[in-house]
Amino acid sequence: KAGVTQTPRYLIKTRGQQVTLSCSPISGHRSVSWYQQTPGQGLQFLFEYFSETQRNKGNFPGRFSGRQFSNSRSEMNVSTLELGDSALYLCASSLANYGYTFGSGTRLTVV
Amino acid sequence: AQRVTQPEKLLSVFKGAPVELKCNYSYSGSPELFWYVQYSRQRLQLLLRHISRESIKGFTADLNKGETSFHLKKPFAQEEDSAMYYCALSAATSGSARQLTFGSGTQLTVLP
Repeated sequence: KAGVTQTPRYLIKTRGQQVTLSCSPISGHRSVSWYQQTPGQGLQFLFEYFSETQRNKGNFPGRFSGRQFSNSRSEMNVSTLELGDSALYLCASSLANYGYTFGSGTRLTVV
Repeated sequence: AQRVTQPEKLLSVFKGAPVELKCNYSYSGSPELFWYVQYSRQRLQLLLRHISRESIKGFTADLNKGETSFHLKKPFAQEEDSAMYYCALSAATSGSARQLTFGSGTQLTVLP
């Protein structure tokens, strides 16, 4: 079966712009989580969605937001981009917390 | 709040030698622990979860609640085991919501 799909794979944006990243979970998985991976901070939890509701949110500013659609696909949005937002953004889907399957990520570069 | 500590950023062993990657956690509830592996240029993959008590690619990990540890072990390392390994803890936050907290990772290099 298809894995977790993230689009786009790479993105270059300018400071101050906004960006939307997309994640399609494994079919049947209703939980989608987002993580930011950087060399300095490692893997940090952004938020988790389940059945179109945000269940959990990490310690990130309000510029980071997300949503989940009825088909479980999820998007995350970052507004007013800063240089420090440059990172690999990972999406993971889960079935009843039995482990999380990760996508390949979207590499965001802010210039 | 939950916390996962991997004390070794880098670990090198020779092929055929035993390897142990350390992971300690702090969490007041009942933990669900995982090991993830990231090979060069590949996505993060689930290696082990403690509830299944399985052995994947020769790796095992035992949850020691007394020492709050979940060390990853393999008796004979192979060159293809070279990768970044992350220990992670799934903790309940509220209701049925859970959050996966990662350690900082250990880069394992298996030398020929």
